[in-house]
Amino acid sequence: QKEVEQNSGPLSVPEGAIASLNCTYSDRGSQSFFWYRQYSGKSPELIMFIYSNGDKEDGRFTAQLNKASQYVSLLIRDSQPSDSATYLCAVKFTNDYKLSFGAGTTVTVRA
Amino acid sequence: EPEVTQTPSHQVTQMGQEVILRCVPISNHLYFYWYRQILGQKVEFLVSFYNNEISEKSEIFDDQFSVERPDGSNFTLKIRSTKLEDSAMYFCASSPTTNEKLFFGSGTQLSVL
Repeated sequence: QKEVEQNSGPLSVPEGAIASLNCTYSDRGSQSFFWYRQYSGKSPELIMFIYSNGDKEDGRFTAQLNKASQYVSLLIRDSQPSDSATYLCAVKFTNDYKLSFGAGTTVTVRA
Repeated sequence: EPEVTQTPSHQVTQMGQEVILRCVPISNHLYFYWYRQILGQKVEFLVSFYNNEISEKSEIFDDQFSVERPDGSNFTLKIRSTKLEDSAMYFCASSPTTNEKLFFGSGTQLSVL
């Protein structure tokens, strides 16, 4: 069974702090990894994707991938109240057409 | 910026009725998807569609569900006889290739009474 696991939270961080989100996946051969943000009642919105081991930075967001450990993370630096949302980890498993989503981690940024 | 559009945004129906949810994917995309999300739960895959046929489907996508691309732009999800447990937000998504990011529409909230 191919699974994407996330710590469900909720994760509460003060404004300006770093929020750290984790995700593990079951298929060692997976090649494509995505982080989506979902505000309540809205659709998922892509914020980062990563294909290679290491770090990838985009503004205040950094995605980290470790394929050997089957682990992908998302760091949100200088967290803002507008970052309060549920963050979804998604993985494209080997030979799948679809993205498989984790249950999401809810982040609350306290002003 | 191109976007995936879904109609209607809300649909209320009686149990046992047929519903059709409509989507217009991004024009140069080749892969199309339907996902659903029951309130408070995870985003669940229903079906993917490529080259005018279903490429993958989940256990949820049983005989009550069907998809169609009736013309060059629309992509529809039909539920033949709705059940209470079909109440959910349904998202359409598209991507240019199978390895790239999915772009989601804003969703159709389906309520089955």
